[in-house]
Amino acid sequence: KAGVTQTPRYLIKTRGQQVTLSCSPISGHRSVSWYQQTPGQGLQFLFEYFSETQRNKGNFPGRFSGRQFSNSRSEMNVSTLELGDSALYLCASSSDANDRVTGYTFGSGTRLTVV
Amino acid sequence: AQSVAQPEDQVNVAEGNPLTVKCTYSVSGNPYLFWYVQYPNRGLQFLLKYITGDNLVKGSYGFEAEFNKSQTSFHLKKPSALVSDSALYFCAVSSRSNDYKLSFGAGTTVTVRA
Repeated sequence: KAGVTQTPRYLIKTRGQQVTLSCSPISGHRSVSWYQQTPGQGLQFLFEYFSETQRNKGNFPGRFSGRQFSNSRSEMNVSTLELGDSALYLCASSSDANDRVTGYTFGSGTRLTVV
Repeated sequence: AQSVAQPEDQVNVAEGNPLTVKCTYSVSGNPYLFWYVQYPNRGLQFLLKYITGDNLVKGSYGFEAEFNKSQTSFHLKKPSALVSDSALYFCAVSSRSNDYKLSFGAGTTVTVRA
C-alpha cells in the first residue's frame, strides 16, 4: 500500500510570506502528526490531528497552524515566515487512537528554505 | 515530561564489527520505545519498537534492541555492521501520560567504514 505522501518535496519562500504543506496519510489512517526537524533543535512535535480535530499541540507560535480534511489528508500552514522556519517538515500517520501506541509511519518530508 | 538522550553524536565502526547506538529515556508510566533511521534528504524509516513483552526486540535489516527498565535504556545493536548502515539514527519514546506524542533524541550519526 502507498506510504505517507508529502508535497511538495522542496520549497523556497521569502521571509514574510506564508506557506502551505500537504500530507496524505496511509489509506485508512486517521491520525496525522507534524514534526519540524532542524540541525539545532532536532525533531520537535508541532501538532496532531485525528478525525479532523486537533488532538495535541507542541510549543510553537500561532504562526504555525494545521487542519485535517474528512479524507484524513492534512495541511500545515506557516504564516509570516522567518529565516528560522527553514527546516525539514515531517508528517507521520497512524491508524487510530490505540494504534498510536505501536508507532507512526513517516513521510519523506518537505524541505522548506526561507530566504 | 518525557525525554530521550542519545549520548553519542557519532559512532564509527568498521564493516563486519558489532554496532551499538545508545539510548536512555525518561518517562512517567510505561514507555513505548522506537528506533528510526534517516538517510540524507529522506524521512524517518522505522526500524523496531518495544511496546511490551520480551525485552529483546528484533527489527528490520538485522537490528535489535534491548529494553532495560532498571537502567531506562534501549540500546540499538547490530552484530555485523554494513557500509550501507551509515545513516542518522533516532531513538524515540512515547507514553500514555504524554498522549502518545513522540519525543526524539538528538540523533546519532553512524559511519561504517569499509
